[in-house]
Amino acid sequence: AQSVTQLDSQVPVFEEAPVELRCNYSSSVSVYLFWYVQYPNQGLQLLLKYLSGSTLVKGINGFEAEFNKSQTSFHLRKPSVHISDTAEYFCAVTETSGSRLTFGEGTQLTVNP
Amino acid sequence: KAGVTQTPRYLIKTRGQQVTLSCSPISGHRSVSWYQQTPGQGLQFLFEYFSETQRNKGNFPGRFSGRQFSNSRSEMNVSTLELGDSALYLCASNQGVNTEAFFGQGTRLTVV
Repeated sequence: AQSVTQLDSQVPVFEEAPVELRCNYSSSVSVYLFWYVQYPNQGLQLLLKYLSGSTLVKGINGFEAEFNKSQTSFHLRKPSVHISDTAEYFCAVTETSGSRLTFGEGTQLTVNP
Repeated sequence: KAGVTQTPRYLIKTRGQQVTLSCSPISGHRSVSWYQQTPGQGLQFLFEYFSETQRNKGNFPGRFSGRQFSNSRSEMNVSTLELGDSALYLCASNQGVNTEAFFGQGTRLTVV
């Protein structure tokens, strides 16, 4: 079984500031890692994914994440945020042999002017 | 390509009733999964269907059931609704194992 912990439930930042949303995971088997974003009253949109290869993964809207196997982390970063990045962000894992996602509790990112 | 389509978007039901939610996956995707999202429990996996067979099931009571049709469309059914079943129900489709999941906009179920 896997578990995901998002270390911050709420992250307020000012526009154009950098941001990091933290995610740690636990699993006894190999996993794939994902970050999803959810805007109010919407479904989940994939930001980026780590399947294999380079540990630095670039996604949409200027986001990137770094997979750290030794620390079992997959933190999400953006160097300069916009008001439109205000949303809830979910870190998720799945076994490499399956497609069932286990999600973290979510981090509400609020970008203030 | 059209995305994952869930119908209806909003639903209000009374305790004790039953409800059926529908999900049409992306064309060519054979795997459909369902998730329940609530403020208290977050996102929880309900079940996954692949080629009309349930491949995986989460920890939900038997009141929650689902099925998949030959065209990959899926339905989930909740019988004897309880207030705690109020949630956003999300459907996701995958092309297969080891591929990313694409989510629909969800069905917001309110049980009164």
